[in-house]
Amino acid sequence: EIVLTQSPATLSLSPGERATLSCRASQSVSSYLAWYQQKPGQAPRLLIYDASNRATGIPARFSGSGSGTDFTLTISSLEPEDFAVYYCQQRSNWPPDFGPGTKVDIK
Amino acid sequence: EVQLVESGGGLVQPGRSLRLSCAASGFTFDDYAMHWVRQAPGKGLEWVSGISWNSGSIGYADSVKGRFTISRDNAKNSLYLQMNSLRAEDTALYYCAKGHDPNNWNDYFDYWGQGTLVTVSS
Repeated sequence: EIVLTQSPATLSLSPGERATLSCRASQSVSSYLAWYQQKPGQAPRLLIYDASNRATGIPARFSGSGSGTDFTLTISSLEPEDFAVYYCQQRSNWPPDFGPGTKVDIK
Repeated sequence: EVQLVESGGGLVQPGRSLRLSCAASGFTFDDYAMHWVRQAPGKGLEWVSGISWNSGSIGYADSVKGRFTISRDNAKNSLYLQMNSLRAEDTALYYCAKGHDPNNWNDYFDYWGQGTLVTVSS
């Protein structure tokens, strides 16, 4: 089973700043990694799939990179609505599980 | 517009059973794998179970294997989760989620319902 770790656990930033979130896999997942955003009281939303492809309707300020075991989600300039929890998820191996999440909160 | 609407959650005693349902609309249901993902209060996301478009492939998390059964009815555009021998640690919000790619059943989840809350307590 592949274990995903995310860092940092919490990221405190101000609107307009750049956010860089990390996801590391215990073994290679190739490019089979996705990122989700979850706001309080809402279901998760798919942001990025296959490491770098934006899902339908996702703004260009969200970008993903990486392959193998190390991945990054970058939010180029934080908008007020971007403060949320972000999860990575792999589909390289069964089961298709999630990382523990990174909370991006307002500094 | 894709819609996934879960139902069937509630308060149940340990050891009892519950059946969750998910009604899907806005897409060709029998083209896609479907999944259940849960979230315990204040915790992260945990994949629970998935089923391929034709029910030919089914999988479960180790934490629910042997107790939960996933199924689907393509004629009714519906997904189900039969949960038996429920435990306190099964308490969570249960989401129904659609697979992203019709060619994969081990997949990402591009649409989610709003969830149905299952509370296991005496």
